Amino acid sequence: DVKVTQSSRYLVKRTGEKVFLECVQDMDHENMFWYRQDPGLGLRLIYFSYDVKMKEKGDIPEGYSVSREKKERFSLILESASTNQTSMYLCASSPQGAYEQYFGPGTRLTVT
Amino acid sequence: GESVGLHLPTLSVQEGDNSIINCAYSNSASDYFIWYKQESGKGPQFIIDIRSNMDKRQGQRVTVLLNKTVKHLSLQIAATQPGDSAVYFCAENSNTGFQKLVFGTGTRLLVSP
Repeated sequence: DVKVTQSSRYLVKRTGEKVFLECVQDMDHENMFWYRQDPGLGLRLIYFSYDVKMKEKGDIPEGYSVSREKKERFSLILESASTNQTSMYLCASSPQGAYEQYFGPGTRLTVT
Repeated sequence: GESVGLHLPTLSVQEGDNSIINCAYSNSASDYFIWYKQESGKGPQFIIDIRSNMDKRQGQRVTVLLNKTVKHLSLQIAATQPGDSAVYFCAENSNTGFQKLVFGTGTRLLVSP
């Protein structure tokens, strides 16, 4: 079974802090994605990566950056957390050429 | 518990009933569609997918119907069980050259015993 793990299930940070969300997948997938999920808005794509050291902006990249130094790991960085970044963050991966994405359990981030 | 989908449309059914969850998609050029199930506190899980060269695809207790004329997708769940209670999302491929998906906002299914 594909397994996508995220470093934290719940995280509380203060405004202005730098926040790192880590995602690891164990199926050698080329593609990795970061989404945020908010009530009534569904899943919105923040960034994605189709290869090591490659990254592409999604629909809502502002206030975020990403890092993919190894194939299995994709990190989401909030350079200076703000209260409007309080959300559920979901990581996903998929093999090259496939659309089906496998999701991690999510990280509920609260910025106070 | 998780507060995913506070403003979601909700479908309430009795255990044993058949459920139909509908989804309108936006891009007539989309050629791949997928349904996900998200239980409280968990990430979305794949249920079933369908390509645009098909109108219907069946899985275990689930059937997906695709009507390309009106850009409509539906998920039918037979003999709904309490364990089917979750939020259900449809998604379409984005046709941008990368394997991206565009997700709908979801429908909450509540199954009463």
